Amino acid sequence: QLQLQESGPGLVKPSETLSLTCTVSGGSISSSSYYWGWIRQPPGKGLEWIGSIYYSGSTYYNPSLKSRVTISVDTSKNQFSLKLSSVTAADTAVYYCARLVAVAGNPRFDYWGQGTLVTVSS
Amino acid sequence: EIVLTQSPGTLSLSPGERATLSCRASQSVSSSYLAWYQQKPGQAPRLLIYGASSRATGIPDRFSGSGSGTDFTLTISRLEPEDFAVYYCQQYGSSPPELTFGGGTKVEIK
Repeated sequence: QLQLQESGPGLVKPSETLSLTCTVSGGSISSSSYYWGWIRQPPGKGLEWIGSIYYSGSTYYNPSLKSRVTISVDTSKNQFSLKLSSVTAADTAVYYCARLVAVAGNPRFDYWGQGTLVTVSS
Repeated sequence: EIVLTQSPGTLSLSPGERATLSCRASQSVSSSYLAWYQQKPGQAPRLLIYGASSRATGIPDRFSGSGSGTDFTLTISRLEPEDFAVYYCQQYGSSPPELTFGGGTKVEIK
């Protein structure tokens, strides 16, 4: 059974960089059938896609966040990571990592981590 | 950027009733690229429907999806107590590649 687990600081100061890692277990991050993504959800609000990465390192980002986002992958550790720079209180959210099925023309997130709350505050 | 608008914002129904949720896109979306998720409080979203009408593994057949172009629908034929939750639609756009979610519809017990 595939499992994803987010990890990283739960509190980040304004203007600093938010860093999270997603560890994948029960399957290989290097599978050609999948991308891997980050999604966030501010408290009481809806879902926002942040960006996705392929095991080769190919990325695509939400245009509204692109200037502040970097997603990377470490296939040796079966992990992928998120960095979001210059954070403000508006970046306070639950951050999810998820697997994006990318084959057969039906892109969808089929496995999700449990999510981790990141609060931006001094 | 394609914007997804879900309606109604909240749907108040009783167990056993039929729920019809709408997802409207600001421009035409390939049916292959439309998915639906269910989210319960404190939990991650769960994939229900992909390709507009295909049920994900383990999803009961009371959940069905339909639609094309700019109008898509998620139907729950008979609401079970565990179906009261928030539902999101999601689309994938290929040029440039990006994903967007609708604002969600909350299905609450009447």
